[in-house]
Amino acid sequence: GAVVSQHPSRVICKSGTSVKIECRSLDFQATTMFWYRQFPKQSLMLMATSNEGSKATYEQGVEKDKFLINHASLTLSTLTVTSAHPEDSSFYICSAPDLLTQETQYFGPGTRLLVL
Amino acid sequence: GENVEQHPSTLSVQEGDSAVIKCTYSDSASNYFPWYKQELGKGPQLIIDIRSNVGEKKDQRIAVTLNKTAKHFSLHITETQPEDSAVYFCAASIGTGRRALTFGSGTRLQVQP
Repeated sequence: GAVVSQHPSRVICKSGTSVKIECRSLDFQATTMFWYRQFPKQSLMLMATSNEGSKATYEQGVEKDKFLINHASLTLSTLTVTSAHPEDSSFYICSAPDLLTQETQYFGPGTRLLVL
Repeated sequence: GENVEQHPSTLSVQEGDSAVIKCTYSDSASNYFPWYKQELGKGPQLIIDIRSNVGEKKDQRIAVTLNKTAKHFSLHITETQPEDSAVYFCAASIGTGRRALTFGSGTRLQVQP
């Protein structure tokens, strides 16, 4: 299957700082990527849909000014958590759909964010 | 929007036994149903999927069944092995093209050696 990478795999930051997470499709192009958040022992919740060349669409309750998404190229989407707070500590996971079927989602390995 | 319910939340089986995880969905327009396996600290890994025009799909020890009328689908793992121990998530999506998934709450499977 297709490979999606994320960087960094884990990050610790101080409250009030910003953190950028990268999501890359390594062997295929992805005009759309999805960002999910997963709290401990919970399921994945969709945060936003990242669209190459246009603005991201955010799910209800997700602040677009706090979670900035930039889909800079056909293989890269970034999520920036601005002015991070301890309650933003979570596991952030991106996914990209298979180019052929457009249904099959390939997930990245996730980024563990801890805000102190 | 779509709502996916999953049960049981935890499942413990003896090595070699079968495991069954069930999910129900709310929107009859859902047409794609993948299952993911997630190990601790890692991203979900697709293990099998099924589309609404198919009632059953099998891949070695793993099978998925879909009942569109009842709006539920199930994951069946036979001859379980300790390395099958993980959290399993069902999911559903609606429509065509690139669309996000709605996930179930997850099932923690423990295979006892």
